[in-house]
Amino acid sequence: EIVLTQSPGTLSLSPGESATLSCRASQSVSSTYLAWYQQKPGQAPRLLIYDSSNRATGIPDRFSGSGSGTDFSLTINRLEPEDFTVYYCQQYGSSPVTFGQGTRLEIK
Amino acid sequence: EVQLVESGGGLVQPGRSLRLSCAASGFTFDDYGMHWVRQAPGKGLEWVSGINWNSNYIAYADSVKGRFTISRDNGKNSLYLQMNSLRAEDTALYYCANGFGELSHLLFWGQGTPVTVSS
Repeated sequence: EIVLTQSPGTLSLSPGESATLSCRASQSVSSTYLAWYQQKPGQAPRLLIYDSSNRATGIPDRFSGSGSGTDFSLTINRLEPEDFTVYYCQQYGSSPVTFGQGTRLEIK
Repeated sequence: EVQLVESGGGLVQPGRSLRLSCAASGFTFDDYGMHWVRQAPGKGLEWVSGINWNSNYIAYADSVKGRFTISRDNGKNSLYLQMNSLRAEDTALYYCANGFGELSHLLFWGQGTPVTVSS
């Protein structure tokens, strides 16, 4: 099983700043099959990025993903108040599918 | 509009069984793989199981293998999760989601159905 470790656990920033969230895999993720999700309180997760760097439908270009192998990142530029919530990475290149433990983005 | 509506959750005693359902609409159901993901109270996401469009390929998390069974009925646009030998650690909000194949990123999610395993 591929273990995904997200860092930092909590990131404190101000609106307008940029955030970089990290997701490190315990072994190489096949074919860059890594996704990022945003989850707001009381809501289901929402797909942001798939295949490491492709934005899902309707996701603003402030969100971008990159990486390959074992190191991946999600960058959010020009943070807006609604961006301050929890983010998860997910690998789907091998079974079982696994999620990271999440990064909480909070307002400084 | 894509809709995924889960049902069947509730309070169940340890060792008992429960069957979850997910009704899909707004997309061509048999074009997509389907998945169950759970989230324990205050915790992160845990993928449970995935099934491809024609049920030929199925995958499970190690934590539920041998106890849970995923299935689908394309004629009814429905996904199911049969959960047997339930344990306290299965307590969670269970989401269904669609994707591509039994291993996939997850495009759209339902709002979840809660399962509580307790005596």
